[in-house]
Amino acid sequence: QVQLVQSATEMKKPGASVKVSCKTSGYTFTHYGISWVRQAPGQGLEWVGWISAYNGNTYYTQKFQGRVTMTTDTSTSTGYMELRSLRYDDTAVYYCVRDVPATASADLVYWGQGTLVTVAS
Amino acid sequence: EVVMTQSPLSLPVTLGQPASISCRSSQSLVFSDGNTYLNWFQQRPGQSPRRLIFKVSNRDSGVPDRFSGSGSGTDFTLKISRVEAEDVAVYYCMQGIYWPYTFGQGTKLEIK
Repeated sequence: QVQLVQSATEMKKPGASVKVSCKTSGYTFTHYGISWVRQAPGQGLEWVGWISAYNGNTYYTQKFQGRVTMTTDTSTSTGYMELRSLRYDDTAVYYCVRDVPATASADLVYWGQGTLVTVAS
Repeated sequence: EVVMTQSPLSLPVTLGQPASISCRSSQSLVFSDGNTYLNWFQQRPGQSPRRLIFKVSNRDSGVPDRFSGSGSGTDFTLKISRVEAEDVAVYYCMQGIYWPYTFGQGTKLEIK
């Protein structure tokens, strides 16, 4: 069965970086992409961006451009999202979600369990 | 970016009664392949979101048939024919045709 298992809770100081991992199983990794979605405490869902595990192409929401990098490791079927220059309002649960391998036509069925990133001094 | 607007944001419903959530997009969600990429998600307290409906009206595997989706172009609706206790959750519509994907604000369904 398809599974996406994310890394553990992180606590970071403002200005630091965080790298969240998303280990997948149960499907051919390079046939899909991964979207990342975040949810601040008590708030709605916000799409951060997408990476194709097929060719490494990425798309980042403008709000995060310059601060976020998404990568994949096809040898371990794992996706990563690094967010730099963390601010207090980056405190959120970050979800990885299996998505399509190419152009926008979202297929967000399988979600990870979420990784809480807390930014605090 | 495409703005998704849901209403109502809070929905108190009596058990066994129907419920309806509206979602409007700022642009047509009809893709060049003829499909309309409008999705509905359910997020129960403390859980990851779960997709209920894709391409406007298609239920995902395991989704009870009391959930139905309808609409076209820019106006869409999620209906629950008879609300059960397990339906307490926040419901989000999401457009998946334009990057960045965008979600509605969420509708919190509670039992009256």
